[in-house]
Amino acid sequence: QKEVEQDPGPLSVPEGAIVSLNCTYSNSAFQYFMWYRQYSRKGPELLMYTYSSGNKEDGRFTAQVDKSSKYISLFIRDSQPSDSATYLCAMSSHNAGGTSYGKLTFGQGTILTVHP
Amino acid sequence: KAGVTQTPRYLIKTRGQQVTLSCSPISGHRSVSWYQQTPGQGLQFLFEYFSETQRNKGNFPGRFSGRQFSNSRSEMNVSTLELGDSALYLCASSLMTGNEAFFGQGTRLTVV
Repeated sequence: QKEVEQDPGPLSVPEGAIVSLNCTYSNSAFQYFMWYRQYSRKGPELLMYTYSSGNKEDGRFTAQVDKSSKYISLFIRDSQPSDSATYLCAMSSHNAGGTSYGKLTFGQGTILTVHP
Repeated sequence: KAGVTQTPRYLIKTRGQQVTLSCSPISGHRSVSWYQQTPGQGLQFLFEYFSETQRNKGNFPGRFSGRQFSNSRSEMNVSTLELGDSALYLCASSLMTGNEAFFGQGTRLTVV
């Protein structure tokens, strides 16, 4: 079983729709959670970063973390064709020995298409 | 502020050769991580450097190595290339811990 599970989609929605992207994880040591957007032939772009349960909002994006259920979500409001990309969740832990430094564990990515 | 810069963007190498990829982190960032991205395996962690020291390493063979210089710039090397090493190699930088990491555009390596 993978440490991080993400529905690969593909997900196709009309412009203006609310998009919900989700990841589940099994490692309870994960404390830091990120969402990245990756366009074709580009590097991942950091969208959201959070380290506590609850919601964090940034413009049209809302990240939600539920540590008790080991579940994170990214909501995109008023989706645009320019949002069409692969969305990756990523997580990390930080133990006292420091052996988790720098290591992000990624989901497989969800391919999103927003059509006009 | 300039982002993470990776060079070269594209490389074609022959099996058995070796290759060196370069990464310049965001100014002020001292942690540099490397990842391999393939369609089948997704993004996999290779290693992380901080202040010229490797702090963490993923599950890759010893053919994959890296280093970091005093100005935080980093290089990774792959020796004795195999066809399966064809991938997008991504470098990410962060201030200290490797979290909240910013990625470069990647180097696309093709081994023939």
